[in-house]
Amino acid sequence: DGGITQSPKYLFRKEGQNVTLSCEQNLNHDAMYWYRQDPGQGLRLIYYSQIVNDFQKGDIAEGYSVSREKKESFPLTVTSAQKNPTAFYLCASSLGLADEQFFGPGTRLTVL
Amino acid sequence: RKEVEQDPGPFNVPEGATVAFNCTYSNSASQSFFWYRQDCRKEPKLLMSVYSSGNEDGRFTAQLNRASQYISLLIRDSKLSDSATYLCAVRDGSNYKLTFGKGTLLTVNP
Repeated sequence: DGGITQSPKYLFRKEGQNVTLSCEQNLNHDAMYWYRQDPGQGLRLIYYSQIVNDFQKGDIAEGYSVSREKKESFPLTVTSAQKNPTAFYLCASSLGLADEQFFGPGTRLTVL
Repeated sequence: RKEVEQDPGPFNVPEGATVAFNCTYSNSASQSFFWYRQDCRKEPKLLMSVYSSGNEDGRFTAQLNRASQYISLLIRDSKLSDSATYLCAVRDGSNYKLTFGKGTLLTVNP
């Protein structure tokens, strides 16, 4: 089945620890994105990547880092510099930047 | 004015009702428009793209009004399974960024 997978579904970390969220897609999409969603809020763009080995900051990139070494994979690292990391993290992909975006099931991160 | 604003909701309607949501956007250069559906604690799923001429998919109709800068979603003959949060999304033509509204919660009651 083609789709976007994110793991894990739930993640708990202690304050001060870095954590990496996985996102994999087998849709052969060039573009990939990371969003965060807080309760009652819309999605906010963290980072996006148009193509392998390229990525750009979104609206709220501070405290996050990404890599895009393979077309299928776009992992997000939440660093200890992120002031309020507890949120629902959603990965998305699209054929190109101008195309419809499809979302993975999300990772719910709780920092204790 | 916020970039993308939606009716705050929540909307509580009986089964069979017709319900409409609006979403306004501030950037007149916006080029693409979408409605997503998000179930509780799940990811958003694309419901419809919104075309200039309007488009319909079964009980769902989407409209775009460029002059007044808003898009709308009409749901006819509501079903219990339509209960969800509906998010609008607007793409900026210059940088391809997709901006989401906060969503409108719809509950369809038996």
